[in-house]
Amino acid sequence: DSGVTQTPKHLITATGQRVTLRCSPRSGDLSVYWYQQSLDQGLQFLIQYYNGEERAKGNILERFSAQQFPDLHSELNLSSLELGDSALYFCASSVAGGPQETQYFGPGTRLLVL
Amino acid sequence: AQKITQTQPGMFVQEKEAVTLDCTYDTSDPSYGLFWYKQPSSGEMIFLIYQGSYDQQNATEGRYSLNFQKARKSANLVISASQLGDSAMYFCAMREKTGGFKTIFGAGTRLFVKA
Repeated sequence: DSGVTQTPKHLITATGQRVTLRCSPRSGDLSVYWYQQSLDQGLQFLIQYYNGEERAKGNILERFSAQQFPDLHSELNLSSLELGDSALYFCASSVAGGPQETQYFGPGTRLLVL
Repeated sequence: AQKITQTQPGMFVQEKEAVTLDCTYDTSDPSYGLFWYKQPSSGEMIFLIYQGSYDQQNATEGRYSLNFQKARKSANLVISASQLGDSAMYFCAMREKTGGFKTIFGAGTRLFVKA
């Protein structure tokens, strides 16, 4: 158990809908990362937050948004969902978000868009 | 641009033998971190080992060691005394300051351990 929690574990929804994925980092970690893992694109970095502020942005679509709250939990919002958004979404956390810090991953949320 | 290459889509190893999983990377940033993760069929991502670009010695964590050859830009994972539970997908990843702290993952290598 990495100490990072994600809810829900599974999510099934329809195209055009909006969903919210939730992540709680390890105790003491200030930085949160979101990743998308799909069969065709592998593991892709989406976005990173540090202590409530956006720090780095990767291949995140405009239909997707995220935020980190004062209690350090984070939410990833996915809207206008398409079939291709079906994937495993991971949250990870690290202490401060530096380049040489280990990121610990949560168990993931498996999203299926029908 | 960042790039991580894992050239072995799949590997077989006999139980109790050692296996090396290849990873090469490309960066112009002098400060970076290299990571290996294991993803079993259950889906979670498990951190295995880390190597910093300024580390003089190769990292080791139990049965895992990282063969870091900086000049060749390679960071191969060595698993000694393979166990059936080592069967999984293995990802190499790099993180650097340049480009905004993005983490790039390789395509992964699927390891099969034979009894």
